Amino acid sequence: GESVGLHLPTLSVQEGDNSIINCAYSNSASDYFIWYKQESGKGPQFIIDIRSNMDKRQGQRVTVLLNKTVKHLSLQIAATQPGDSAVYFCAEPGGSQGNLIFGKGTKLSVKP
Amino acid sequence: EPEVTQTPSHQVTQMGQEVILRCVPISNHLYFYWYRQILGQKVEFLVSFYNNEISEKSEIFDDQFSVERPDGSNFTLKIRSTKLEDSAMYFCASSDWLSSTDTQYFGPGTRLTVL
Repeated sequence: GESVGLHLPTLSVQEGDNSIINCAYSNSASDYFIWYKQESGKGPQFIIDIRSNMDKRQGQRVTVLLNKTVKHLSLQIAATQPGDSAVYFCAEPGGSQGNLIFGKGTKLSVKP
Repeated sequence: EPEVTQTPSHQVTQMGQEVILRCVPISNHLYFYWYRQILGQKVEFLVSFYNNEISEKSEIFDDQFSVERPDGSNFTLKIRSTKLEDSAMYFCASSDWLSSTDTQYFGPGTRLTVL
């Protein structure tokens, strides 16, 4: 089976609310995780990453949480805006040569 | 801000024809990648390339696929005899160095439609 996957395929939130997007991974040896945002018709855009020696990392309006005990990763977006509407993928390194394994993606829709 | 560019944005071809997808990675990057995304599905790794040779390839990257860095700026993906199931978005990515903490920057993609 796949190494990285997502719990929910779609998420709809009200503008201004906080969003939480989840990801489960199966490879306990993974030491690095990345969140990408993909807007319609565009390539994946790097949002934030986290190493396995961290539990939490914050960026601008985004926070990534890593729970290694249950192999769970989440992306929190504060004060969600219409421009946040996109598909969000978690990813992890798949081998020694830097290729990434992507999850299936969660589509975030922001209602005005 | 430097970015990865890809051409064409959309390529339509007949089954059995050869296609070449082009990418210009970020200029100081040394590692290059191709991924594909079938409509509505996740992004899948195809191949990584460093120092003018393939570093790693997936099961998808069979003998019909090849990559080349013909000059100092371009990075190409060739599909020799396209099949209907090759229809997908193809993304090029590049990174500065090979480490698990480095970021891969993706281009906007080429939509390949095989008829």
